[in-house]
Amino acid sequence: DVKVTQSSRYLVKRTGEKVFLECVQDMDHENMFWYRQDPGLGLRLIYFSYDVKMKEKGDIPEGYSVSREKKERFSLILESASTNQTSMYLCASSSPSGRASETQYFGPGTRLLVL
Amino acid sequence: RKEVEQDPGPFNVPEGATVAFNCTYSNSASQSFFWYRQDCRKEPKLLMSVYSSGNEDGRFTAQLNRASQYISLLIRDSKLSDSATYLCVVNTGTGGFKTIFGAGTRLFVKA
Repeated sequence: DVKVTQSSRYLVKRTGEKVFLECVQDMDHENMFWYRQDPGLGLRLIYFSYDVKMKEKGDIPEGYSVSREKKERFSLILESASTNQTSMYLCASSSPSGRASETQYFGPGTRLLVL
Repeated sequence: RKEVEQDPGPFNVPEGATVAFNCTYSNSASQSFFWYRQDCRKEPKLLMSVYSSGNEDGRFTAQLNRASQYISLLIRDSKLSDSATYLCVVNTGTGGFKTIFGAGTRLFVKA
């Protein structure tokens, strides 16, 4: 069974703190993604990675950075947390194929509250 | 205009009802289409892919109309366990790097 795990289900941080969210997948997938999900806005892509040490900006990268040192692990970093980064963060992975039809498998999500 | 638009609902239906969700997308170059299901406080999971010829999986039927840039999901004989948010998902590039998620349609099935 496919599995994507995230380091925390709930986090409470203070404004200005550095926050690390970790994601691990055991499917040997090349592609990994970080999204945030907010009511009424759907999932928005923050960053993605298609290989170790490779990263690409998504639609809303400002205030975030990522790290992919190993194939199975993709970390999201909030350099200086702000209240507008309070959200649900979802990690996903997928395996590329010849068509743009691969399924994304999601982790359980991390609910981050920034006070 | 959002790239993928869905009626947010909520749809409140009795058990056994048939319910249909619609989704429109703005990029005519979109290549592949999906419906995901997301239960309350859980992660999204793939429900089904959507093919040009239409496809069915048990009580669920998905349709694609490329000319109108429109996707639909039909649920027949609704069950209580169908209560969830249904996300319309569109890929506009290869490798899944331009995957757009709709904001979702909420469904409540009542006994």
